[in-house]
Amino acid sequence: KQEVTQIPAALSVPEGENLVLNCSFTDSAIYNLQWFRQDPGKGLTSLLLIQSSQREQTSGRLNASLDKSSGRSTLYIAASQPGDSATYLCAVQDNNRKLIWGLGTSLAVNP
Amino acid sequence: NAGVTQTPKFQVLKTGQSMTLQCAQDMNHEYMSWYRQDPGMGLRLIHYSVGAGITDQGEVPNGYNVSRSTTEDFPLRLLSAAPSQTSVYFCASSPRHGTSYNEQFFGPGTRLTVL
Repeated sequence: KQEVTQIPAALSVPEGENLVLNCSFTDSAIYNLQWFRQDPGKGLTSLLLIQSSQREQTSGRLNASLDKSSGRSTLYIAASQPGDSATYLCAVQDNNRKLIWGLGTSLAVNP
Repeated sequence: NAGVTQTPKFQVLKTGQSMTLQCAQDMNHEYMSWYRQDPGMGLRLIHYSVGAGITDQGEVPNGYNVSRSTTEDFPLRLLSAAPSQTSVYFCASSPRHGTSYNEQFFGPGTRLTVL
């Protein structure tokens, strides 16, 4: 059974730091992996989708990598800003097309 | 494009009442789904649809019904509300369910409290 784990559950950093959020999954047979951002009391916003044949995707200050063989993905945020404060969720789509979700990492970027 | 819209944003019900949460998308997406989000439990799939006229159960379907008469709309009905259904409900859609490029788009959510 596919399981998705995000470590750490919470992270607090000073503004300007480069940081890495981790997502691990137990079954390498996935269709894709997607990173989302959720602001308090709001819906989820898609950040990056990495297809199973890809190794990484980039959008602005965000870079997501995928290593299926080790069951890991990382979301790299460069030069963090207070506006990056949010909960970051990852989800994998398994071979049955179902999304399996992590519990998220709550990020606080302090001015 | 309005994307995925949900109404209402907030709702308070008494135990035993019924109601319908509305979800609509204007992106011509074939796949739509409903999730509930509870603290410490993450997102759990309630029901989903791969196209008009086709629905199926997710992880936690009990107490909920859905229908998909059009591509755009996917309402979620609570048959007899219970306090255990207090949660935040999200509707999502995606364009190409059967491929690896299947980006999910979420609505803003409905915060439901059942007293």
